[in-house]
Amino acid sequence: SAVISQKPSRDICQRGTSLTIQCQVDSQVTMMFWYRQQPGQSLTLIATANQGSEATYESGFVIDKFPISRPNLTFSTLTVSNMSPEDSSIYLCSGGDDYGYTFGSGTRLTVV
Amino acid sequence: GENVEQHPSTLSVQEGDSAVIKCTYSDSASNYFPWYKQELGKRPQLIIDIRSNVGEKKDQRIAVTLNKTAKHFSLHITETQPEDSAVYFCAPNQAGTALIFGKGTTLSVSS
Repeated sequence: SAVISQKPSRDICQRGTSLTIQCQVDSQVTMMFWYRQQPGQSLTLIATANQGSEATYESGFVIDKFPISRPNLTFSTLTVSNMSPEDSSIYLCSGGDDYGYTFGSGTRLTVV
Repeated sequence: GENVEQHPSTLSVQEGDSAVIKCTYSDSASNYFPWYKQELGKRPQLIIDIRSNVGEKKDQRIAVTLNKTAKHFSLHITETQPEDSAVYFCAPNQAGTALIFGKGTTLSVSS
């Protein structure tokens, strides 16, 4: 199965700024997704990253706040824009195909 | 969209006992049924999965059973060990779509 490298692993950011998280997959994958996980809770889907086109966002998540890029089948970025303390969370990317999905190691974001 | 419920939310067992976690889903189009294990501070790891054309799958101490008619599938862990302690998530989906995670089950295995 695919191996996903995610960076940064953690960051502390000032409110009002933006952070871009990157995920690199070691092989081409059909699907890539971005999730958010609050401490002690489950994973919530933010969006599906579509290769060469706009991402598909879940209810409650908007492109202006969480712009996503996926220029090819092995790379995607998520930007958390105009951050507030409520954005403090763990962000994970996921990739795979019909044979299964793997996850990046996550980015622990703290907004102060 | 998919509605996923997972029970129990916490489960405590003695080492060597069996553990069973059940996942109920709503979307009859779902055809892929994985279970993930997440240790504290780590990424979710796929431990076993099953597809809709199979009723049961086993991998050493871990098994998954599927009842498509009733729309539920279960994770079975036998001969539990302390290293099985973690949070377990079910995440049913339809091929080509995102995994939708249950709320998780915290399994504690005491020695």
